[in-house]
Amino acid sequence: NAGVTQTPKFQVLKTGQSMTLQCAQDMNHEYMSWYRQDPGMGLRLIHYSVGAGITDQGEVPNGYNVSRSTTEDFPLRLLSAAPSQTSVYFCASSRAGTVVIGGYTFGSGTRLTVV
Amino acid sequence: GQQLNQSPQSMFIQEGEDVSMNCTSSSIFNTWLWYKQDPGEGPVLLIALYKAGELTSNGRLTAQFGITRKDSFLNISASIPSDVGIYFCAGNSNSGYALNFGKGTSLLVTP
Repeated sequence: NAGVTQTPKFQVLKTGQSMTLQCAQDMNHEYMSWYRQDPGMGLRLIHYSVGAGITDQGEVPNGYNVSRSTTEDFPLRLLSAAPSQTSVYFCASSRAGTVVIGGYTFGSGTRLTVV
Repeated sequence: GQQLNQSPQSMFIQEGEDVSMNCTSSSIFNTWLWYKQDPGEGPVLLIALYKAGELTSNGRLTAQFGITRKDSFLNISASIPSDVGIYFCAGNSNSGYALNFGKGTSLLVTP
């Protein structure tokens, strides 16, 4: 059981480049979300999805797009990378009924640097 | 999201000492959760609290859901080197799906 798999683990981008951070889970979880972690800022919610075809914005959605075409995958797209998007990105998933009772499973993160 | 204030920001202690950290919210929470993040990994759930006043233990860890529903604390007894990491509080204030996280407490334990 792989859990939540994030790729790549590390990425360096030039300002203005685009890329997609991949997230896949094999637990048939309905709920998936993306967080970014910055020093001294904790984890901030970017986007989330409660099921295939349904997405919504979190606290810091600007500069990021998401889609949820399947239950398993929830990619995060940066259309035009900016240095302010340098961060560690975490994907998390959960059964829909267990999110607020601690049912999150986190991936191991993608460390992104924009130069 | 709801503002969560977590303190202290960092702690540097000796092995065997007890540790206490807390989290406060500007609004009432229905659920309080405590996570630990090891270096280079994602957060892992330690303890979940669902009722005001609830006190729950997980080995050397004890956490409580404050009576006012606006705060929670986590205690670690007899710390060991593997307790090193960042501890996050998180909570949910409504029926939505999103969790709000504190900024974390970085714990360093010296042998």
